[in-house]
Amino acid sequence: DADVTQTPRNRITKTGKRIMLECSQTKGHDRMYWYRQDPGLGLRLIYYSFDVKDINKGEISDGYSVSRQAQAKFSLSLESAIPNQTALYFCATSDPRGAYEQFFGPGTRLTVL
Amino acid sequence: RKEVEQDPGPFNVPEGATVAFNCTYSNSASQSFFWYRQDCRKEPKLLMSVYSSGNEDGRFTAQLNRASQYISLLIRDSKLSDSATYLCVVNDSNDYKLSFGAGTTVTVRA
Repeated sequence: DADVTQTPRNRITKTGKRIMLECSQTKGHDRMYWYRQDPGLGLRLIYYSFDVKDINKGEISDGYSVSRQAQAKFSLSLESAIPNQTALYFCATSDPRGAYEQFFGPGTRLTVL
Repeated sequence: RKEVEQDPGPFNVPEGATVAFNCTYSNSASQSFFWYRQDCRKEPKLLMSVYSSGNEDGRFTAQLNRASQYISLLIRDSKLSDSATYLCVVNDSNDYKLSFGAGTTVTVRA
């Protein structure tokens, strides 16, 4: 079984809809991240969490919110989706003892029409 | 200016060739450097860390030039399986946040 899982893997939705992307991990890592990837732009950090009570904005948090329900679960919400949020979304985890290596989930491909 | 810039490529090379490409970073205080590999539409995975003295991992060699603020990756004796996008990744501080380049695409042909 994969260590970092994301659901759904693909989603098509309409402008204005609320969407939740979920991430679960079995690696036992405290640190979790949400990124989006757009062609030609690389991965950009949306939100990150260093433990259950710690949530921080990344470089592009506008239009997104997150919830860290447990050490193993970190959800990303789009309260009112818009077309420019169409992207590939990755969740990642890291261990503070692990010299910065991040472990990524398989990604969620989101299309907002 | 982007924090991490890469030549997007693609670099099209025959099997057995050597291919090399660079990445530049803007923050002179950057502390840690990495190459990640990303196969088409899949998640990025750590390929190797880049150390100040340069380092090798099999057919892969990474170099860091702090004076000119770039890192490089060289792939020797290219295999078809090396076809992927290589992401340059930089850590600017001790808070475990990473900055990713947009990637360099390498295609190895038979």
